[in-house]
Amino acid sequence: GENVEQHPSTLSVQEGDSAVIKCTYSDSASNYFPWYKQELGKRPQLIIDIRSNVGEKKDQRIAVTLNKTAKHFSLHITETQPEDSAVYFCAASLMNTGFQKLVFGTGTRLLVSP
Amino acid sequence: DTEVTQTPKHLVMGMTNKKSLKCEQHMGHRAMYWYKQKAKKPPELMFVYSYEKLSINESVPSRFSPECPNSSLLNLHLHALQPEDSALYLCASSHVGGGSYGYTFGSGTRLTVV
Repeated sequence: GENVEQHPSTLSVQEGDSAVIKCTYSDSASNYFPWYKQELGKRPQLIIDIRSNVGEKKDQRIAVTLNKTAKHFSLHITETQPEDSAVYFCAASLMNTGFQKLVFGTGTRLLVSP
Repeated sequence: DTEVTQTPKHLVMGMTNKKSLKCEQHMGHRAMYWYKQKAKKPPELMFVYSYEKLSINESVPSRFSPECPNSSLLNLHLHALQPEDSALYLCASSHVGGGSYGYTFGSGTRLTVV
């Protein structure tokens, strides 16, 4: 089955700096890669996703890149703000005929200091 | 309506109790999921329903019993739980097929087994 590794486990940056979180996946058949932000005590919220036919996607200060050959994908946050502080999870899935089975990475705790 | 609603938000139960968690969505999603999340860990898949049929059971102990009575509702029946089952239980839903990816998570039920 799919296995997703995520690094680093903790990331501390100063406000305004950039943050990069990296993930690798094992199943070359996976075709969908979302990123979730989870604040303490709250639900995971989808912040950006990428499909296997795309190499990069941006949404304002957030971007995701995908290298299918290396089975790597990364989350880039620019101009970080204190409200970006949260736990970020990457995930990978294969869109099956009826559903998608998301396998999550172990999470990165991002702390943005003012 | 673009939400997944879970009830109750908090539940404390004894090891001999029987209780149920409820999840509801009205987005027309035909795939629904139960995840378990322990503190500081990623969500772990428990069950997947696709078109109201159980598609995946990730070797979950029989003290957890899922039910999907219709396309909008998903229940998780709990019986004879152990203290280690204390966790945040997340429901999610998604479209199936058609190129529409992405989960919508509910806010979760925080379960404490005493």
